[in-house]
Amino acid sequence: ETGVTQSPTHLIKTRGQQVTLRCSSQSGHNTVSWYQQALGQGPQFIFQYYREEENGRGNFPPRFSGLQFPNYSSELNVNALELDDSALYLCASSWGGLLVDTEAFFGQGTRLTVV
Amino acid sequence: AQRVTQPEKLLSVFKGAPVELKCNYSYSGSPELFWYVQYSRQRLQLLLRHISRESIKGFTADLNKGETSFHLKKPFAQEEDSAMYYCALKGNKLVFGAGTILRVKS
Repeated sequence: ETGVTQSPTHLIKTRGQQVTLRCSSQSGHNTVSWYQQALGQGPQFIFQYYREEENGRGNFPPRFSGLQFPNYSSELNVNALELDDSALYLCASSWGGLLVDTEAFFGQGTRLTVV
Repeated sequence: AQRVTQPEKLLSVFKGAPVELKCNYSYSGSPELFWYVQYSRQRLQLLLRHISRESIKGFTADLNKGETSFHLKKPFAQEEDSAMYYCALKGNKLVFGAGTILRVKS
């Protein structure tokens, strides 16, 4: 059984650029959630994908988008990067979507810096 | 709206002293509450959830719907408990508090 892995671990982008972050979910999991964690704050829910469809979204603008693939891995895409997008981006995998109480397993995160 | 408040950014106690990390929540539905922990250089992981009513690493947390609280307690702190602790509420999404750093001094 493999855990949740995220790539890359660190990334530096210029304001206005686009970025794609990747997450491989834990074996047997069909749900992936993405979180943004700014310095000194708790993780903030961006959105969740369950069986390849978005089934929950937080208060983030449409330039934050995602995908989930048939193998349940996922991508987070951010367009038109802003300085405030600099944060740690966490991915978590679980089973069953939001309506099922199962443990979410987190990746180590991708540290995005926008300059 | 879902909201989680952890009023203390830092809690510093001596080894062997009792610990209480505070968490208050706001949610109109039936809440599911969790505590997550992040040890130094490790990833965020689930510590306990209210529905299981179990004690993990000596920690317990009781959901008090009247006071809308889910405080995390341990009677005798150990140095290895030093970490960042997040309270989280699951309604239609998982919402985290800002976190409390627990430092256990020897």
